[in-house]
Amino acid sequence: QVQLQESGPGLVKPSDTLSLTCTVSGYSITSNSWWGWIRQPPGKGLEWIGYIDYSGSTYYKSSLKSRVTMSVDTSKHQFSLKLSSVTAVDTAVYYCARKEASIPHFDYWGQGTLVTVSS
Amino acid sequence: EIVLTQSPGTLSLSPGERATLSCRASQSVSSTFLVWYQQKPGQAPRLLISGASGRATGIPDRFSGSGSGTDFTLTISSLEPEDFAVYYCQHYATSSIIFGQGTRLEIK
Repeated sequence: QVQLQESGPGLVKPSDTLSLTCTVSGYSITSNSWWGWIRQPPGKGLEWIGYIDYSGSTYYKSSLKSRVTMSVDTSKHQFSLKLSSVTAVDTAVYYCARKEASIPHFDYWGQGTLVTVSS
Repeated sequence: EIVLTQSPGTLSLSPGERATLSCRASQSVSSTFLVWYQQKPGQAPRLLISGASGRATGIPDRFSGSGSGTDFTLTISSLEPEDFAVYYCQHYATSSIIFGQGTRLEIK
């Protein structure tokens, strides 16, 4: 069974960089999949941030592209998100998720982690 | 960029009733790339329908999807208490994934 688990600080100061890691178990991170990040501000809808494959190829949402960096560490079965210059609008539950290369949807999700941007 | 508009924003129905949720795309999209999720409070989204009409594994047959072009529909034939949740449509393109803003299905 594929499992994903987000980890990282729950509180980030404005203008700092938000850093999260997703640990994958039960499935090879080097398989033919895309590993994504989706966020959800409190009480609001879902927003795709981007995804990465095991080789490091990335796609980012255009409006976030200048602030987003994703990376993958195959030896640790992890992939990561960095979002720079955060403000209060970046406060959200951040989910990591898997999308197989051949399908249009995310089929496995982490439980989500709340990141609050506040001084 | 494609925009997905879901309607209504909130739908108030009673158990046993039929629910019809709409997802409209700002331009024609392939139904192959249109997906529906269900999200309950405090939980990650759960895949319901992929390819506009294909039920995901374990999804009851009271859930059905339809549509093409710019208009897509999620229908729940007879609401069960556990179906009251928020529903999102999603479109996939290689370089972009777009979510609709969601429809909240609440108990009347």
